[in-house]
Amino acid sequence: EPEVTQTPSHQVTQMGQEVILRCVPISNHLYFYWYRQILGQKVEFLVSFYNNEISEKSEIFDDQFSVERPDGSNFTLKIRSTKLEDSAMYFCASKNQGSYEQYFGPGTRLTVT
Amino acid sequence: GIQVEQSPPDLILQEGANSTLRCNFSDSVNNLQWFHQNPWGQLINLFYIPSGTKQNGRLSATTVATERYSLLYISSSQTTDSGVYFCAVVEYGNKLVFGAGTILRVKS
Repeated sequence: EPEVTQTPSHQVTQMGQEVILRCVPISNHLYFYWYRQILGQKVEFLVSFYNNEISEKSEIFDDQFSVERPDGSNFTLKIRSTKLEDSAMYFCASKNQGSYEQYFGPGTRLTVT
Repeated sequence: GIQVEQSPPDLILQEGANSTLRCNFSDSVNNLQWFHQNPWGQLINLFYIPSGTKQNGRLSATTVATERYSLLYISSSQTTDSGVYFCAVVEYGNKLVFGAGTILRVKS
């Protein structure tokens, strides 16, 4: 069964450094998402992406964040200058046209020290 | 925006027991999904169920969209069922709005 994959599974970085989290959505899906979950809290929406542009973003998704689909298979989330409060689990998801069901990747645990 | 409330917040079961988890939402939805977050933090998709009833092994789910709630049933619970169960809905647009989750602990 096709699945969403994410790399790396765990990333440790120092405050102020840039990080790129990578996702490979399901191949025929057209809508892509990033969510995050701070430890012990609920999962929160960050951004959705369709047709090579952001379709919706949350208040959390400020200028420090950016997303890109650099080729036909990858979808990335970049954090330009990480802060301690960016430590969280980041989930990528994708869905197909004509369906509301979203498929989630296994997540990347980001630790900012 | 839409509000999603889950109950109970915490549940402890003896292995073999049955349980019902509830998700209430404040407005009409286009999508409702149940997830299990395992101890490694992965979100496992259990059900896509905007309405009706579905079953998958020992798990089943029912959504009554007109009354704005969904139920997740776990029968004959096992220790591997432990974790956090999330309900999430799409009100409009595409983003999923998650509830706070139910923490389930199954004791052997």
